[in-house]
Amino acid sequence: DTGVSQDPRHKITKRGQNVTFRCDPISEHNRLYWYRQTLGQGPEFLTYFQNEAQLEKSRLLSDRFSAERPKGSFSTLEIQRTEQGDSAMYLCASTVGGANVLTFGAGSRLTVL
Amino acid sequence: QQQVKQSPQSLIVQKGGISIINCAYENTAFDYFPWYQQFPGKGPALLIAIRPDVSEKKEGRFTISFNKSAKQFSLHIMDSQPGDSATYFCAARRKVAGNMLTFGGGTRLMVKP
Repeated sequence: DTGVSQDPRHKITKRGQNVTFRCDPISEHNRLYWYRQTLGQGPEFLTYFQNEAQLEKSRLLSDRFSAERPKGSFSTLEIQRTEQGDSAMYLCASTVGGANVLTFGAGSRLTVL
Repeated sequence: QQQVKQSPQSLIVQKGGISIINCAYENTAFDYFPWYQQFPGKGPALLIAIRPDVSEKKEGRFTISFNKSAKQFSLHIMDSQPGDSATYFCAARRKVAGNMLTFGGGTRLMVKP
């Protein structure tokens, strides 16, 4: 499968714990995006990378959130001191810079108890 | 601030009928308007897209109608099938913002056999 891979698919954690999600984009895609989707809503932009550079961050990305793409390939999204309001599906997408199509992964669902 | 408004939130159509979903946007900097289809447990997948210099685009049973002056666009699904039952999201892109997509709130479509 050469699509966008996300891991883990589901994560249940207790409030206050840290969680990390990983995204492996399509290999030749140099742009990588993170979106958050809450139940019954459309995806909301969090941040994006071009190669290893993080070029834009949404105001939704509080200081408890950090994203990295250290070698311009896979990316991680870490949430520190999770809160119940962080419960959502975290979607990763990738594309070739300038192309129109974003290819999404299946998402990582976070439940904070 | 919701920049892309989508309606209806849910839609029930009989098999063979026409499904119509509407979206309106505010930001005239948007330059590309895709529709995504999402099945439960999956990430959104690109269905069809249009540029603002075109008034209509058709791909198989799916048609986008675009009204630039009204800042509105719609998805028509002809001969709707039970397999079309999914959540549909309209989106709008600002190319100068790194191809970031702004999504509508989604429409949950159910096609009854």
